[in-house]
Amino acid sequence: DAGVIQSPRHEVTEMGQEVTLRCKPISGHDYLFWYRQTMMRGLELLIYFNNNVPIDDSGMPEDRFSAKMPNASFSTLKIQPSEPRDSAVYFCASSRPGLAGGPSTDTQYFGPGTRLTVL
Amino acid sequence: DAKTTQPTSMDCAEGRAANLPCNHSTISGNEYVYWYRQIHSQGPQYIIHGLKNNETNEMASLIITEDRKSSTLILPHATLRDTAVYYCIVRLPLSNDYKLSFGAGTTVTVRA
Repeated sequence: DAGVIQSPRHEVTEMGQEVTLRCKPISGHDYLFWYRQTMMRGLELLIYFNNNVPIDDSGMPEDRFSAKMPNASFSTLKIQPSEPRDSAVYFCASSRPGLAGGPSTDTQYFGPGTRLTVL
Repeated sequence: DAKTTQPTSMDCAEGRAANLPCNHSTISGNEYVYWYRQIHSQGPQYIIHGLKNNETNEMASLIITEDRKSSTLILPHATLRDTAVYYCIVRLPLSNDYKLSFGAGTTVTVRA
């Protein structure tokens, strides 16, 4: 498997522009997570999905952020309008908790991240 | 999730064992200890996890004290590629909360 795929790897945009980040989870994984990492705040969870349904979006900073998962193999994180303080590395992760339970299948697999710079 | 305490940084000589401590004194009976690491410019990577028994895999060993209030991640033969930030996380497995709460972690530098 190619692992979690994110695109673009780098994005530079100007304040006020719309930004869309994309993620393809590992095939067969039914959980998908979006994280944001900054020097000041570290790695923080923004939102996660189960079977394409958003379960917890309490980490989404404000209404400018939205995330969708139209199918099991694709998710987007959109920022509109973008602001300089949104500059960060955004990671997508996926997992497939085992049907019978047990933490061994609770592992989250992360993508390479998208480095966003908002000027 | 219980909180963890890790040293900010540590150095290790290449080829030697690296022992990374983690304190989790408020861990509950059914919470597991997970270790992830993040190599520069990459996403976090799962290393190992455990409940109360010591665990070993191809990457590392995890030693958990009998009272479960602390643990040690052991990289048996550190290489330069092991330079990374190492995160110790305690959490309930397969609960309704799938969040991974990453703290500041320990920055490990392996020196030749």
